[in-house]
Amino acid sequence: EAGVVQSPRYKIIEKKQPVAFWCNPISGHNTLYWYLQNLGQGPELLIRYENEEAVDDSQLPKDRFSAERLKGVDSTLKIQPAELGDSAVYLCASSLDGRNGDNEQFFGPGTRLTVL
Amino acid sequence: GENVEQHPSTLSVQEGDSAVIKCTYSDSASNYFPWYKQELGKGPQLIIDIRSNVGEKKDQRIAVTLNKTAKHFSLHITETQPEDSAVYFCAAPPNGYGNKLVFGAGTILRVKS
Repeated sequence: EAGVVQSPRYKIIEKKQPVAFWCNPISGHNTLYWYLQNLGQGPELLIRYENEEAVDDSQLPKDRFSAERLKGVDSTLKIQPAELGDSAVYLCASSLDGRNGDNEQFFGPGTRLTVL
Repeated sequence: GENVEQHPSTLSVQEGDSAVIKCTYSDSASNYFPWYKQELGKGPQLIIDIRSNVGEKKDQRIAVTLNKTAKHFSLHITETQPEDSAVYFCAAPPNGYGNKLVFGAGTILRVKS
């Protein structure tokens, strides 16, 4: 069974440019998460989806970040415009049903963003 | 909100020795405690978890212990091997069985052969 797929794996852009990350969760997983991981830190939740509904986006900087999960499967996270401080790894994870809080979260390999 | 602190930040052990990583949490309502292992260039992977109705759980060379009174839990790895070298993260959900996890800052484990 395929795991969580993310693309691209690496992205280098100049500041003020837009960037988008794509995630395909494990088939059948209703809950999808986007995390930000700074160097030497643990993942920090940006947004959580239950199917196509964003149920927790309190940590998402909405002035420049946006996300969508059309049809409750794939998801895209966008930054526009990117700033130097956005350089980090963006992780996507999925779980069967996040409403049952102890479900295992499966992580993708992440997208490493470098903003110059 | 939940605050998770993890110690030590780095740990070096000789192959075959044991390694222990400790985490403390602040929200007494938390009752699910997973441990993740992250290798270079990969996403975190769950290696073991424990729920608040038990005090200890073991899976081969890995064990987790939980002290709800003191609000801390620990990861124990016995007979360490070079492939155990990685970054380990603990996590806890705020407000009980929430599906939002707050992660510790991580522990870099190096197993020297």
